[in-house]
Amino acid sequence: QVQLMESGGGVVQPGRSLRLSCAASGFIFGYYTMHWVRQVPGKGLEWVAVISNDGSKKYYADFEKGRFTISRDNSRNTLYLQMNSLRPDDTAVYYCARRYTYGSNTFDYWGQGALVTVSS
Amino acid sequence: EIVLTQSPGTLSLSPGERATLSCRASQSLISTFLAWYQQKPGQAPRLLIYGASNRATGIPDRFSGSGSGTDFTLTISRLESEDFAVYYCQHYGDSPPYTFGQGTKLEIK
Repeated sequence: QVQLMESGGGVVQPGRSLRLSCAASGFIFGYYTMHWVRQVPGKGLEWVAVISNDGSKKYYADFEKGRFTISRDNSRNTLYLQMNSLRPDDTAVYYCARRYTYGSNTFDYWGQGALVTVSS
Repeated sequence: EIVLTQSPGTLSLSPGERATLSCRASQSLISTFLAWYQQKPGQAPRLLIYGASNRATGIPDRFSGSGSGTDFTLTISRLESEDFAVYYCQHYGDSPPYTFGQGTKLEIK
């Protein structure tokens, strides 16, 4: 069955960096566009970034202002999110999500989420 | 950027009742690129509806979506206990950003 599992979350000081990973299994990872979506605890959902199946196209939400980089390694079935210059308002649960085949950029499978806390 | 506004913020209903949730877009959506998700506490969201009215794989037929332009509706025909959750609408398409509404909490009355 399809599984997505994030790792790499934790507590980090403002201005520091963190890299999240998302390990995929149960499907042909290299066929799918992948996304990151985040959610401040108790708040709504916010789309973060998208990467095409072959990694050639990447798009980001405006709030990132060049601080985040999405990447993937299809040989390792893994998606990444490199986050630099982290701010307290980046504190959130970060989900990786698979693009739904029939629904354009909707998300049919999600990971369980990785909590990132930016605090001094 | 398209802004989605959901109403009401909280909806209190009883099992067996009909639920109607609204999502209004700040501008007309081309090609009805509107989706609905359900999220329960401690869980990731679950895709319910895409293309405004198409149920995603495995979604029960008590969930239905409708609407076009700027006004969209998610209807749950007969509420079951597992339906009480937070619901989000999402605008999507070929180009980002892919925005979400702020959510509607459906709670047991």
